[in-house]
Amino acid sequence: QQQVRQSPQSLTVWEGETAILNCSYEDSTFDYFPWYHQFPGESPALLIAIRPVSNKKEDGRFTIFFNKREKKFSLHIADSQPGDSATYFCGCSSFSKLVFGQGTSLSVVP
Amino acid sequence: NAGVIQTPRHKVTGKGQEATLWCEPISGHSAVFWYRQTIVQGLEFLTYFRNQAPIDDSGMPKERFSAQMPNQSHSTLKIQSTQPQDSAVYLCASSLGGASAETLYFGSGTRLTVL
Repeated sequence: QQQVRQSPQSLTVWEGETAILNCSYEDSTFDYFPWYHQFPGESPALLIAIRPVSNKKEDGRFTIFFNKREKKFSLHIADSQPGDSATYFCGCSSFSKLVFGQGTSLSVVP
Repeated sequence: NAGVIQTPRHKVTGKGQEATLWCEPISGHSAVFWYRQTIVQGLEFLTYFRNQAPIDDSGMPKERFSAQMPNQSHSTLKIQSTQPQDSAVYLCASSLGGASAETLYFGSGTRLTVL
């Protein structure tokens, strides 16, 4: 299932920096784009999501930027904290079927 | 609300044996999803049900894998003749109605190890 491509595979940032995680897709029928995060030993959980009618969605330090023409979207984590260290999965959904990218392992160094 | 319950948490099988994984969705949720998680592939979609009916099984390997939802309170994923490459964490998730923009709530997963 290569419908959703995510990069980078791993990312290390210093505390306070902005982490940028990227996702691209191919299928134009996708109509909902969530990001899930997964902490070690836990299950994935919804972090933030966007519909293609918008090109930006903010929730505190977390922002999704969406480019429908290029079929790309990204998650920006501002003022990264060590507690943000986790694996992040971008998702794309159509007709209720949600597929995920391969994940980005984020480490935030104090 | 206990969340999505998956049993067993860990299962070890020998090559060629059968494995059955169980999932109890959140009460009141009518959509159930199965995913397989590995380091290499990430979260792979396998199949999903809405109101107990199979809707999309496009991610299921055509041989050896099958899923059922005999009632609204549980779903099973069965793997026949398990192979080492089936080793993974199998995650079940449920959502309220199965609409596209709904949040998926994941269970803790079943870690399958095939020796």
